[in-house]
Amino acid sequence: AQSVTQLGSHVSVSEGALVLLRCNYSSSVPPYLFWYVQYPNQGLQLLLKYTSAATLVKGINGFEAEFKKSETSFHLTKPSAHMSDAAEYFCAVSSSGGYNKLIFGAGTRLAVHP
Amino acid sequence: DVKVTQSSRYLVKRTGEKVFLECVQDMDHENMFWYRQDPGLGLRLIYFSYDVKMKEKGDIPEGYSVSREKKERFSLILESASTNQTSMYLCASSLIAGGVTDTQYFGPGTRLTVL
Repeated sequence: AQSVTQLGSHVSVSEGALVLLRCNYSSSVPPYLFWYVQYPNQGLQLLLKYTSAATLVKGINGFEAEFKKSETSFHLTKPSAHMSDAAEYFCAVSSSGGYNKLIFGAGTRLAVHP
Repeated sequence: DVKVTQSSRYLVKRTGEKVFLECVQDMDHENMFWYRQDPGLGLRLIYFSYDVKMKEKGDIPEGYSVSREKKERFSLILESASTNQTSMYLCASSLIAGGVTDTQYFGPGTRLTVL
């Protein structure tokens, strides 16, 4: 069975600081991994996804994530936080049950301070 | 751009009422999904559909049913609303049935309060 653990329900950084949001997964099959972002009062939108083509994945708004099989991790990073990055971030793994089902982590709320 | 719309942003209902949440997508997607989002629990799949009139239970289907009579529309039904169904409900769609890497596109959500 697949599962996702996001370490830290709340992360706070200063504007211009490094953003690091942690995601560890468990999967019995080679995983496909996703990061979605939810801005206030909006639905989720895709930031980036890992589909086994390359371990370092670049997404929108300067975010990137690295797939590390040995650590079962897919952490999200951004070198320099911007105020507009304040949002909730969800890591997800494809379910082995097919049909493009996803299993989501609990989410990490990112706050960015001036 | 893909657009997924949900019939209401906010909804307040009474315990025992029958509640309909509607979702429409405009990109001819085969897959459609209903999730509920609760603080600290992330998104949990209620039901999904991979074709018209086809539906499958997700992880938390109890107390819910769904209907998909047309490809673009997927409805979530609470037969008899209860207070523990107070939540944010998100609809999503994706392109190809069985495509494990397909992006899911989400609607803005419906915040349902059951009194």
